[in-house]
Order: sequence, then C-alpha cells, then structure tokens
Amino acid sequence: DAGVIQSPRHEVTEMGQEVTLRCKPISGHNSLFWYRQTMMRGLELLIYFNNNVPIDDSGMPEDRFSAKMPNASFSTLKIQPSEPRDSAVYFCASSDDTDTQYFGPGTRLTVL
Amino acid sequence: AQSVTQLGSHVSVSEGALVLLRCNYSSSVPPYLFWYVQYPNQGLQLLLKYTSAATLVKGINGFEAEFKKSETSFHLTKPSAHMSDAAEYFCAVSDGGGGFKTIFGAGTRLFVKA
Repeated sequence: DAGVIQSPRHEVTEMGQEVTLRCKPISGHNSLFWYRQTMMRGLELLIYFNNNVPIDDSGMPEDRFSAKMPNASFSTLKIQPSEPRDSAVYFCASSDDTDTQYFGPGTRLTVL
Repeated sequence: AQSVTQLGSHVSVSEGALVLLRCNYSSSVPPYLFWYVQYPNQGLQLLLKYTSAATLVKGINGFEAEFKKSETSFHLTKPSAHMSDAAEYFCAVSDGGGGFKTIFGAGTRLFVKA
C-alpha cells in the first residue's frame, strides 16, 4: 500500500493567494482527518470526515478555511485568502474502524 | 469527554539509558490508547496501541507501554535508548468508536545524548 499521499509537499505563496492542499487516503479507510502543526500550537485537528461526510469542523480556524471530500479517495483543504499566520505543516490522516490513524508526509505551507 | 496529558515537553537521556515518557488520560468509557512517533520532517506513525487486551503492550523499536487503570496512566518505556530514538512522541486516546475523533497530547520531544 502506498500510504496516505499528500500534495504538494511544499508550497510557498504570497498573502492573499488561494492555496489548495490535496490528500489521497489509504484505500478502504472510511475516516479522514486534516491537522495543522506549528511550533506554537502543536498538533491541531481542523476537520474530520466519516464516509465522505464532514463530522466535526469545529477546529477550522475561520471561514477562510474550507475542506471537501467529494469521494472516498480524495480530499482537499483550501485556504482563501491565505495569510502569513497560516504558515504551518498540514497533515492528512486516514483511519479504518480500528481507530489507528495513518498520517501522510505533510505539506509545508509558507505564506509570505 | 476525553483528554490526555503528557508530562514534560522535553526529555533528555543518555544513549543506553532508560527512556520513560509519561502520559495520563481521562475517559468516561474504556479507552483505546496510542503512542505515535514523529521523526523530523515526517508524519506521525503508530508506535503501539492498547485496546483492552493485555495491559502491557509491546511496540516497534523495543518500546512498550503499560496501561494502569487505577492511575489512569499509559507511560512509554524503552530499556536502552538509541540515538535513532530522538524524535517527538505523542500519546493519544480515543473511545474505540471506529475511527472517530482521537485526542492527541501536546507531545514530548526526546533528546538522546551520546
């Protein structure tokens, strides 16, 4: 199995631009999670989906952030417009019914 | 509600010494408990998991953790530290509900001195 795939691995953009992060979960997994990790705030859960349906988006910092999961094999996290304080590493993770989460390699986002 | 507390944001040990990383949890239902490890520039990966079977759980790379219900603890240990163990370690708790929300601790960074 290829594991959780995230793209891009690195993204550098300017303030105000739209950023789209992509995730392909492990085949057969029914839950998908988006996290943000920074030195100051640690690992934060942004949103999670079960069977492609958003279950809890209470961690999404503000309306500039949105996430979709149009099918079982693809999810996006979009930031529009981006701000320097959004700079972080964004992780996608997927899980089956065992509760173990499998993390992707992350996308390092830098907003100038 | 569930929560997890990791005692010590940084732990430093000498190579060959005992590693002990502390984790206490709170859960209203029998919990699933996890330790994940994160190496630099990588995502988290599962080290070991407790799901109400044996209270002593063995994981990868010689790590193990013991579930102590009376102390609500799930401390991670390794008898002899290796330089390659330097990483950040996260304790986590879930309610075993099938992949739903898992609560992660703040993490403990382990330094290993030569």
